[in-house]
Amino acid sequence: DIVMTQSPDSLAVSLGERATINCKSSQSVLYGSDKKNHLAWYQQRPGQPPKLLIYWASTRESGVPDRFSGSGSGTDFTLTISSLQAEDVAVYYCQQYYSTLAITFGQGTRLEIK
Amino acid sequence: QVTLKESGPALVKPTQTLTLTCSFSGFSLSSIGMRVSWIRQPPGKALEWLARIDWDDDKFYRTSLKTRLTISKDTSKNQVVLTMTNMDPVDTATYYCARGSYKGFDIWGQGTMVIVSS
Repeated sequence: DIVMTQSPDSLAVSLGERATINCKSSQSVLYGSDKKNHLAWYQQRPGQPPKLLIYWASTRESGVPDRFSGSGSGTDFTLTISSLQAEDVAVYYCQQYYSTLAITFGQGTRLEIK
Repeated sequence: QVTLKESGPALVKPTQTLTLTCSFSGFSLSSIGMRVSWIRQPPGKALEWLARIDWDDDKFYRTSLKTRLTISKDTSKNQVVLTMTNMDPVDTATYYCARGSYKGFDIWGQGTMVIVSS
């Protein structure tokens, strides 16, 4: 299975500041036939199911604020929140769907307010 | 509007079989490209994909749990059912169903908490 490793495990950022979360896959998730990275980012607020934020590594899901952005290709990816808001406190997960028979998630990154 | 909702027992005993139902609306699992997965999350831990069923009745399972899992669908009822045999306390988790697409999992249910205890 493709192993997804996120860093850091937890992060404290001041309101209005930038938050950056990294995700590394054990093998490339760049799909040859569509030239897209099959990598998604999710936000999970306390007591809630995960919510899709980003797919294809950098495409924002409809309705997601533009302060959220995704970047990267191959095996290294980043989720950036440009200006942290109070409602962004959550755990964030990356997920690869390159290997559709063995979808895997990162271990999660807990984001808090400093 | 697409929605999914999980249902099933909140408590099962060790060695018992768990049966969970995902009832959905707003899409048809008989439409080409549609798929539904089950994902679980032990308390305080990460997400773990379990199984998937596609519009054409193809089924896929987490390798480490393959012998214990069965996924099926009832298209007429808009339901997907997951059974997991020989439950153990380590299977205590919130179980989610989610719609799969080219985006990953775009819509999730609220989840159902299952505790395995005697």
